[in-house]
Amino acid sequence: QSVLTQPPSVSGAPGQRVTISCTGSTSNIGANYDVHWYQQLPGTAPKLLIYGNSNRPSGVPDRFSGSKSGTSASLAITGLQAEDEADYYCQSYDNSLTGYVFGTGTKVTVL
Amino acid sequence: QVQLEQSGPGLVEPSQTLSLTCAISGDSVSSNSGAWNWIRQSPSRGLEWLGRTYYKSKWYHHYAVSVKSRITINPDTSKNQFSLQLNSVTPEDTAVYYCVRGGEWGLGWYFDLWGRGTLVTVSS
Repeated sequence: QSVLTQPPSVSGAPGQRVTISCTGSTSNIGANYDVHWYQQLPGTAPKLLIYGNSNRPSGVPDRFSGSKSGTSASLAITGLQAEDEADYYCQSYDNSLTGYVFGTGTKVTVL
Repeated sequence: QVQLEQSGPGLVEPSQTLSLTCAISGDSVSSNSGAWNWIRQSPSRGLEWLGRTYYKSKWYHHYAVSVKSRITINPDTSKNQFSLQLNSVTPEDTAVYYCVRGGEWGLGWYFDLWGRGTLVTVSS
């Protein structure tokens, strides 16, 4: 169902940097629609982490950053902390489906 | 502080109608700057946007192609809430359903406030 592809899992030691890719197509990310990112802690609802490709809502640490290029986007977490262990999802708009679409999700594990 | 409070049954029989309500506090369903969405999440389908309603001089409704023939999202301005109705449900509709506020940004919208979620199981 998901039209945005993410790696199932990434891991890193505390303090390290990890990146999560979000690969789309010419009907979504490649059509210049913005990408947004969400963090979902176990048993809770997703929380907005990055909006408009690279903007952080108030209260989100600057360890989280986003970027977009072509038909893909990326989320980077620098200075990885134990509390960052969660599932992460990208989201955009798809003009072929005429609706909002999410990524497949990536589980981040802190070793 | 804006909050979304969901209510509705957690069990629905196959072929029946799934109905959920989302009460808004700290914002208005008639706000010109927000959209009111329903999103669901299941292990098989992941996160799936279902549809939204919003007001910009008039009411708009926008539904996902996958459920368009079965879904209705309605605002209730007198109670400052919005609702989801999904008809003819099957076990494939079993999921956690979230009501979510959307914010407009450039090309597209993001989802900045989520309800706690309601697990709806479709089973006899």
